[in-house]
Amino acid sequence: EAGVVQSPRYKIIEKKQPVAFWCNPISGHNTLYWYRQNLGQGPELLIRYENEEAVDDSQLPKDRFSAERLKGVDSTLKIQPAELGDSAVYLCASSSGQLVAGANVLTFGAGSRLTVL
Amino acid sequence: AQTVTQSQPEMSVQEAETVTLSCTYDTSESNYYLFWYKQPPSRQMILVIRQEAYKQQNATENRFSVNFQKAAKSFSLKISDSQLGDTAMYFCASLNFGNEKLTFGTGTRLTIIP
Repeated sequence: EAGVVQSPRYKIIEKKQPVAFWCNPISGHNTLYWYRQNLGQGPELLIRYENEEAVDDSQLPKDRFSAERLKGVDSTLKIQPAELGDSAVYLCASSSGQLVAGANVLTFGAGSRLTVL
Repeated sequence: AQTVTQSQPEMSVQEAETVTLSCTYDTSESNYYLFWYKQPPSRQMILVIRQEAYKQQNATENRFSVNFQKAAKSFSLKISDSQLGDTAMYFCASLNFGNEKLTFGTGTRLTIIP
């Protein structure tokens, strides 16, 4: 079974340019998460989806970040325009349900490393 | 608000030795989970071990075990018979039942020396 697939693995752009990251979760996982991991830090949640509904986007900087999960499967995270401080690794994760349900675990993708020059 | 603190930025140990990584957390919730995740250079976060706060017994997964001290809000990870493949960043994390939000610490970089 394929894990959580993310692309691209690396992206280098100049500031003010747009960038998009794509995530394909594990088949059957209805909950999808986007995290941002700054250098030397732990991941921080940007947005959580249950199916196609964004149920927690309180940490998403909505002036320049947007996300969508059409049809409740794949998801795209976009930044427009990118700023120097957006340089980070963007991690996607998925689970088959709520983590507090006990048996559900979070599976991460390998991440997309963004460098903004 | 939840906070997770890992006070050891880096650690190193000889292969086959035992190492303990420290973690403290703060939460106002009575129900929560605690986790240790491993992030090797490939960047993919992998769940190492999970502890339910309502369970008094410490979780164990093969060479990995935790020392969960609920009153002290401490959650350390012990790796026995360390192997070269254990070299990675290790993140402690907490999950409150109330908001489904997983909060990570800043990580400990563990190096196993051959």
